[in-house]
Amino acid sequence: DGGITQSPKYLFRKEGQNVTLSCEQNLNHDAMYWYRQDPGQGLRLIYYSQIVNDFQKGDIAEGYSVSREKKESFPLTVTSAQKNPTAFYLCASSILPDRVNTGELFFGEGSRLTVL
Amino acid sequence: GQNIDQPTEMTATEGAIVQINCTYQTSGFNGLFWYQQHAGEAPTFLSYNVLDGLEEKGRFSSFLSRSKGYSYLLLKELQMKDSASYLCAVRDRYSGNTPLVFGKGTRLSVIA
Repeated sequence: DGGITQSPKYLFRKEGQNVTLSCEQNLNHDAMYWYRQDPGQGLRLIYYSQIVNDFQKGDIAEGYSVSREKKESFPLTVTSAQKNPTAFYLCASSILPDRVNTGELFFGEGSRLTVL
Repeated sequence: GQNIDQPTEMTATEGAIVQINCTYQTSGFNGLFWYQQHAGEAPTFLSYNVLDGLEEKGRFSSFLSRSKGYSYLLLKELQMKDSASYLCAVRDRYSGNTPLVFGKGTRLSVIA
């Protein structure tokens, strides 16, 4: 079945450690996104990529890094520079919107990161 | 700037109809989306509007007025399983796979 797989689902990290969240899709979508969700805050965009080997910062990119070496994969690294990393992280993908396709986002199941 | 407003919480009775409003001010507009999100789960796509008017999909309908920067999601014949957060999101540019800008979501509680 086609879809988006995020791992791990739950992750605990000590302060000062980097951690990488995995996101893989087999939907053949060109674009991939990382959002962060905090209680009462809605979804906020961290990074997005429209094509392999290219990505753009979103609204809250500080303290995060990404790579897009393959179309199917868009891992997110939460670095020690991120001051408040405890959150629910959602990866999504989409196709280009056109007359037929809405270009809606398809989301993975999410990764919940807790910093101890 | 970008601003998308929704009520924070709503409560409605099983079997009733509820309307969740969304207003937006964005630099451009190329479509409005509604997503449903159950607690601790991923958002799932409900509806899309790019032209003014009503889009109906079973128990769910979504309306858009571009001139007013306004949309609503209408849920009919409410069921307990409809208790979830409902997210309004806007694509604010015309080209490419532009990321969606999300509102903070409306948490709907359906009571017996």
